[in-house]
Amino acid sequence: KNEVEQSPQNLTAQEGEFITINCSYSVGISALHWLQQHPGGGIVSLFMLSSGKKKHGRLIATINIQEKHSSLHITASHPRDSAVYICAASSGTYKYIFGTGTRLKVLA
Amino acid sequence: GAGVSQSPSNKVTEKGKDVELRCDPISGHTALYWYRQSLGQGLEFLIYFQGNSAPDKSGLPSDRFSAERTGGSVSTLTIQRTQQEDSAVYLCASSLVGQETYEQYFGPGTRLTVT
Repeated sequence: KNEVEQSPQNLTAQEGEFITINCSYSVGISALHWLQQHPGGGIVSLFMLSSGKKKHGRLIATINIQEKHSSLHITASHPRDSAVYICAASSGTYKYIFGTGTRLKVLA
Repeated sequence: GAGVSQSPSNKVTEKGKDVELRCDPISGHTALYWYRQSLGQGLEFLIYFQGNSAPDKSGLPSDRFSAERTGGSVSTLTIQRTQQEDSAVYLCASSLVGQETYEQYFGPGTRLTVT
């Protein structure tokens, strides 16, 4: 079992839909990261959080430390949101422990 | 300011040849990381630099892989005698320091194809 698990692996949505991607982890963490990877391969950091909730534009990230669970929400989804979303945990060292990613496709 | 840059963006090489991949971290970032992402797979840690030294090389898959960093800045990942299983996207990241509370910033990656 991976230390960081994501679900779903693949997700197709219609433009405008509310999207949730889930991340569960089994290790103690100091921070949880949400990353976005577009088809070209480059990775952009969306959020780094250790408690509560953060919001940036249409993106919202939440974390429940007791349940070892985080969610990434996208409101009013758009085709340009199509990407792979990766959850990563910082757990005691500089190393990120990566989930396997969620491939999102938003249809116009 | 400039982000992390990598070159080349794409590299096609024949099996058995050596390749060099370059990473320019964000200016002032002392920590630098190399990752590999094979097709359909998650990100795999290769090596970590703090300054010019590499205290953690645990992710390098074989002795065909090596990396160096000079001047606390540019890093080069070298793969000798490339094999088809080396085909992947190689990503570099940097952070201000190599501590868990410091966010890593990723480069655009180098897509390596070994034919």
